[in-house]
Amino acid sequence: AQKVTQAQTEISVVEKEDVTLDCVYETRDTTYYLFWYKQPPSGELVFLIRRNSFDEQNEISGRYSWNFQKSTSSFNFTITASQVVDSAVYFCALSEAKVNRDDKIIFGKGTRLHILP
Amino acid sequence: NAGVTQTPKFRVLKTGQSMTLLCAQDMNHEYMYWYRQDPGMGLRLIHYSVGEGTTAKGEVPDGYNVSRLKKQNFLLGLESAAPSQTSVYFCASSPLGEGEYEQYFGPGTRLTVT
Repeated sequence: AQKVTQAQTEISVVEKEDVTLDCVYETRDTTYYLFWYKQPPSGELVFLIRRNSFDEQNEISGRYSWNFQKSTSSFNFTITASQVVDSAVYFCALSEAKVNRDDKIIFGKGTRLHILP
Repeated sequence: NAGVTQTPKFRVLKTGQSMTLLCAQDMNHEYMYWYRQDPGMGLRLIHYSVGEGTTAKGEVPDGYNVSRLKKQNFLLGLESAAPSQTSVYFCASSPLGEGEYEQYFGPGTRLTVT
């Protein structure tokens, strides 16, 4: 069965520090997709990144970077030089490739990140 | 493009009352979903639909019903509201695929049942 674990419930760091949000997943499929979403205090859910199981290249987008390691079933998210605007709840999610049109995404419980000025 | 819209944004119900939440998307997406978000619980899937006229149960379907009569709309009904249904409800949609597409979320509906 699919499972996504975000062990860090809440993290607080001082502005400009780097912070890593952990995500560990479980799946029996060989083809799957991993996602990160951001939920700022305003409440909307914003898609950040998607990674498929065959692409283990790390990705960097500005101050954001993602480290995907199949060997440890992890898809961690790092924010470099954090800013107050990064304060949000971050969700990691997993979707298994389905051929029976059962396209569900399983979300972790989220990590609430506080960036202190 | 409005994306995914939800109506209403806020609602207060008394226990036992009924209501329907409306989700609409203008992206011609095949899949639609209803989630509830409670503190510390993340997003939990209530019901979903893989196409017009189809619905299926998610993780927490009890106390809710859904309908997808038109491709662009996905309705979530509470027949007899209970305080345990106090939550923020999110609708989402995604294109036809095999799990590779992200979900597009609506702004949410905050429901309080007293």
